[in-house]
Amino acid sequence: GDSVTQMEGPVTLSEEAFLTINCTYTATGYPSLFWYVQYPGEGLQLLLKATKADDKGSNKGFEATYRKETTSFHLEKGSVQVSDSAVYFCALKESNYQLIWGAGTKLIIKP
Amino acid sequence: DTAVSQTPKYLVTQMGNDKSIKCEQNLGHDTMYWYKQDSKKFLKIMFSYNNKELIINETVPNRFSPKSPDKAHLNLHINSLELGDSAVYFCASSPGQGGTDTQYFGPGTRLTVL
Repeated sequence: GDSVTQMEGPVTLSEEAFLTINCTYTATGYPSLFWYVQYPGEGLQLLLKATKADDKGSNKGFEATYRKETTSFHLEKGSVQVSDSAVYFCALKESNYQLIWGAGTKLIIKP
Repeated sequence: DTAVSQTPKYLVTQMGNDKSIKCEQNLGHDTMYWYKQDSKKFLKIMFSYNNKELIINETVPNRFSPKSPDKAHLNLHINSLELGDSAVYFCASSPGQGGTDTQYFGPGTRLTVL
């Protein structure tokens, strides 16, 4: 069945560092791919998404490119801030099936 | 205006009690969900309803019973609470079941069973 694998956390970086959180997937069809973010004490919210191969999703300085050849959707940001500290979830969805979630990666940014 | 709201935000109760969590969305969405998030932040889908019809019912003890009186509401009733039920429960909604549909989450209900 479909699955999503994320790098284990926590990931700890200093402010202004470059961020990569790896996400790879397995799917039988052509899924859409998502990154959701959960700030402390809150529910999840969509960060970005991509619906087909080679699409790039971007929001708040974060980017991720849908790479079918490597079945990946890595999350990147050029310069992180303390306010980016959160848990990041990679997910995939095929139409009429449930959203498949990664295990989440906790990101800690130190001033 | 809150898009997806849940009540209560915190719930502390004794083992063996019965409790309910309410969820409402004002987005006009057709599909609603209940998730359980454990202490390691792992998310597990419990139920999904589309237009008041149950479409996903994962392996969840039958002590958990969802009820959807209309497509804007999906409540979760839990009988005979156990210690292992302690978690954060999230309600979510989406426009439909399409592959590109974004899910919108409520703020969560932190359930503590003593």
